[in-house]
Amino acid sequence: DGGITQSPKYLFRKEGQNVTLSCEQNLNHDAMYWYRQDPGQGLRLIYYSQIVNDFQKGDIAEGYSVSREKKESFPLTVTSAQKNPTAFYLCASSRRRTGSSYEQYFGPGTRLTVT
Amino acid sequence: DAKTTQPPSMDCAEGRAANLPCNHSTISGNEYVYWYRQIHSQGPQYIIHGLKNNETNEMASLIITEDRKSSTLILPHATLRDTAVYYCIAETSGSRLTFGEGTQLTVNP
Repeated sequence: DGGITQSPKYLFRKEGQNVTLSCEQNLNHDAMYWYRQDPGQGLRLIYYSQIVNDFQKGDIAEGYSVSREKKESFPLTVTSAQKNPTAFYLCASSRRRTGSSYEQYFGPGTRLTVT
Repeated sequence: DAKTTQPPSMDCAEGRAANLPCNHSTISGNEYVYWYRQIHSQGPQYIIHGLKNNETNEMASLIITEDRKSSTLILPHATLRDTAVYYCIAETSGSRLTFGEGTQLTVNP
C-alpha cells in the first residue's frame, strides 16, 4: 500500500528532552511537510521540504528542527527549546510544485505528550 | 494567502446533500480553493480543489462563484462517515496550506 507512515502513534517524554518523530512515505513525492495541531484548532505549518537536502521554515519553526537526507523520510525533532511541545503532529507529502497545484496526503499523526 | 471564513458548525440529515459554505473575499487571481476534511484524531484528507470552474470528483462537488469571493462544497448524499471538520483554504500552490478552525459537520441518522 502506498502512503505515509508516522510512528509512534503516541509518544511520552519528560520536559527537557529532545524527541524525534518519524515520517516515511512511499508515494515517490518530492515535497514533505510537518504540521502541529492543538486541541480544537486548525493545523499550523512547522517546516516543509520541496526536495532532498533542502527545507524551509513554516509559520511556527521555533523549537523544532528537521532533516531531509532521503526522499522518503522527513524526521522532525522537537527540541527542549519548544515551550509547549504537547500537541498532535501531522506529516504530509505532495508532488513538487511545477507551476500548478497539488493536494497533500497526510499521515495518521503522532500525539506527543511532554510532562 | 487569502483569509477564509466558514461557519463553525453545521448539521445534515443522513442521505441528504450537505452544502458547506466558505467566504474568501480577498482571494487573488492565482489562488486555488482547497477543501480538506479531518475525522476526529486522524490526519486530514484531501477532498477537492478548484481555481475558477466548478469541479466534481467521486467525493464531492465544488461550486465557486463567478467573482470567486465564495465557494460551496457539496457532499451529494451525506453519510454518517462524513461527520468531520471541513477546512476551506485559499492558496497558490498547495504547498503552504493554512488550516483555520473549519466547519464541524455532523451528519445525523
